[in-house]
Amino acid sequence: AQSVTQLDSQVPVFEEAPVELRCNYSSSVSVYLFWYVQYPNQGLQLLLKYLSGSTLVKGINGFEAEFNKSQTSFHLRKPSVHISDTAEYFCAVSDQNDYKLSFGAGTTVTVRA
Amino acid sequence: NAGVMQNPRHLVRRRGQEARLRCSPMKGHSHVYWYRQLPEEGLKFMVYLQKENIIDESGMPKERFSAEFPKEGPSILRIQQVVRGDSAAYFCASSPIGQSLPWAQHFGDGTRLSIL
Repeated sequence: AQSVTQLDSQVPVFEEAPVELRCNYSSSVSVYLFWYVQYPNQGLQLLLKYLSGSTLVKGINGFEAEFNKSQTSFHLRKPSVHISDTAEYFCAVSDQNDYKLSFGAGTTVTVRA
Repeated sequence: NAGVMQNPRHLVRRRGQEARLRCSPMKGHSHVYWYRQLPEEGLKFMVYLQKENIIDESGMPKERFSAEFPKEGPSILRIQQVVRGDSAAYFCASSPIGQSLPWAQHFGDGTRLSIL
């Protein structure tokens, strides 16, 4: 069984500033890691995923994340945010032999002008 | 190319009533997954179905909850005798035939269930 901890529940940020959303996970087996975005009253959209290989993963909308196995972390970053990035962001993990996703509690990002 | 369709988007029920949530997967998808998002929490897996088969219901509460995915029509998540604690957002995801992979799951917009 895995668990996912998102360390910040709310992150306010000014437009064009950088943002980092922190995610730590625990698992007894090898995992795949994901970040999803949820805009108000919508479903989840996959931002990026780490399956294997390079620990730096680039996703859509200018987001990237870095897998750190020793720290069991998968933090999400964007160098310059837009107002349209205001949303809730979920970190998720799955066992490499499983289809079930386990999600963190989410981080609400509010971008202000 | 329509995505995963869930209806209703919002559902209000009184305690003791039944709630029926519907999910139509994307065209060409034969795997359906239901997740529940309780307030202030992340989504949690409930059940995985293929046409006419429940593959994994390890995340379903033992009582009052059931799910089906008939040969024809949408998948249904049914909650009998609802209680306040059932208030949540219920998300459906689907994936293509032969791809029960986590990243292949496409999510619907969810049904927000409120229990009065």
